[in-house]
Amino acid sequence: QKEVEQNSGPLSVPEGAIASLNCTYSDRGSQSFFWYRQYSGKSPELIMSIYSNGDKEDGRFTAQLNKASQYVSLLIRDSQPSDSATYLCAVKINDYKLSFGAGTTVTVRA
Amino acid sequence: KAGVTQTPRYLIKTRGQQVTLSCSPISGHRSVSWYQQTPGQGLQFLFEYFSETQRNKGNFPGRFSGRQFSNSRSEMNVSTLELGDSALYLCASSSSGPTPGNTIYFGEGSWLTVV
Repeated sequence: QKEVEQNSGPLSVPEGAIASLNCTYSDRGSQSFFWYRQYSGKSPELIMSIYSNGDKEDGRFTAQLNKASQYVSLLIRDSQPSDSATYLCAVKINDYKLSFGAGTTVTVRA
Repeated sequence: KAGVTQTPRYLIKTRGQQVTLSCSPISGHRSVSWYQQTPGQGLQFLFEYFSETQRNKGNFPGRFSGRQFSNSRSEMNVSTLELGDSALYLCASSSSGPTPGNTIYFGEGSWLTVV
């Protein structure tokens, strides 16, 4: 079983719509969860971190965490063409490393 | 506040050669970790250093090694390069510690091509 799994993509949404990204993880003891955005040819850029159950909002981004279900999600509201990128879910393992999902590629259609 | 700095950004090496990549973490950060990203395997953890000590190592062969200096700067070395080592190598830094809030920030990466 992979440590982190993301819903398979690619995901195509029209401009202005909501993009929904999902991630599950296997280590029940994990405490820290991150969403990174990676544009083609660039390094991952942190966009959200979440540590407690519930929702965390930052601008057009909302992260949701459910530790009982071992589930993390990211919602992108009012999607813009500039949101077109690969989104990586990452879970901190043992305080020393991040385990990443394979990523979901999002394309926002103008 | 400067971010994570990696050098060189791009390099081409020949099979059998060795390569050294350098990373300067964010000022004040003492934890430096390295990741390899390839299209087939995604982002994979190589190793992590804190106060010059390697605390954890990923599932990579011994050809991959690293070290950290007293100023928290880190280097990683790959010896006897293989074609499959072609990848984006990412350095990340954090303030570390057991609290959940220690975020990990990535540098721009070093693109290694082995021919």
